[in-house]
Amino acid sequence: GAGVSQTPSNKVTEKGKYVELRCDPISGHTALYWYRQSLGQGPEFLIYFQGTGAADDSGLPNDRFFAVRPEGSVSTLKIQRTERGDSAVYLCASSSGTSGGSDTQYFGPGTRLTVL
Amino acid sequence: GQSLEQPSEVTAVEGAIVQINCTYQTSGFYGLSWYQQHDGGAPTFLSYNALDGLEETGRFSSFLSRSDSYGYLLLQELQMKDSASYFCAVSPTGANNLFFGTGTRLTVIP
Repeated sequence: GAGVSQTPSNKVTEKGKYVELRCDPISGHTALYWYRQSLGQGPEFLIYFQGTGAADDSGLPNDRFFAVRPEGSVSTLKIQRTERGDSAVYLCASSSGTSGGSDTQYFGPGTRLTVL
Repeated sequence: GQSLEQPSEVTAVEGAIVQINCTYQTSGFYGLSWYQQHDGGAPTFLSYNALDGLEETGRFSSFLSRSDSYGYLLLQELQMKDSASYFCAVSPTGANNLFFGTGTRLTVIP
């Protein structure tokens, strides 16, 4: 596709439930990132993939959060036993993966997660 | 660790010029990026400074001074559609992620 896409655009769930959020990066981009954005704040880094492997998961807040990218393209962010504090917009970004920390990251529109 | 501070809100008149500042404390970074985000939208890349100095991209320019731990985004010929939030961000040395600033909400008035 032309840009990064994320589904669903909105997700409402109940406390304690499990959710999956999907990201389709720009075709050919080997690097993929997940961020979380709370209202009025900047995005906060969660996890970074280079290819199929999680190269940096230092931003994941706890072990309820997990992400996969089995074929090096689409990624899924998984949240177990959701809590009200998990409510936020979850953003995915991708980049070419050729310039490391200097890569330009292109963001998707995000998934707005609401935990009731 | 890193911290990037920006003014929380700025208001400017259509057609004018506005500067959004970003002061930072970081142990090292590859470059300073700027992103625009409209309400409910995706952050959109605007500009990147790897080296000190001014980078110009159309109506937008960005400046970096590593010695002063300071950068800014300059928007010229403001249009109503420029009303949005603007974030500065750094890529910390040794990492690939972006660390974002606190964000500045720009309101353009007629």
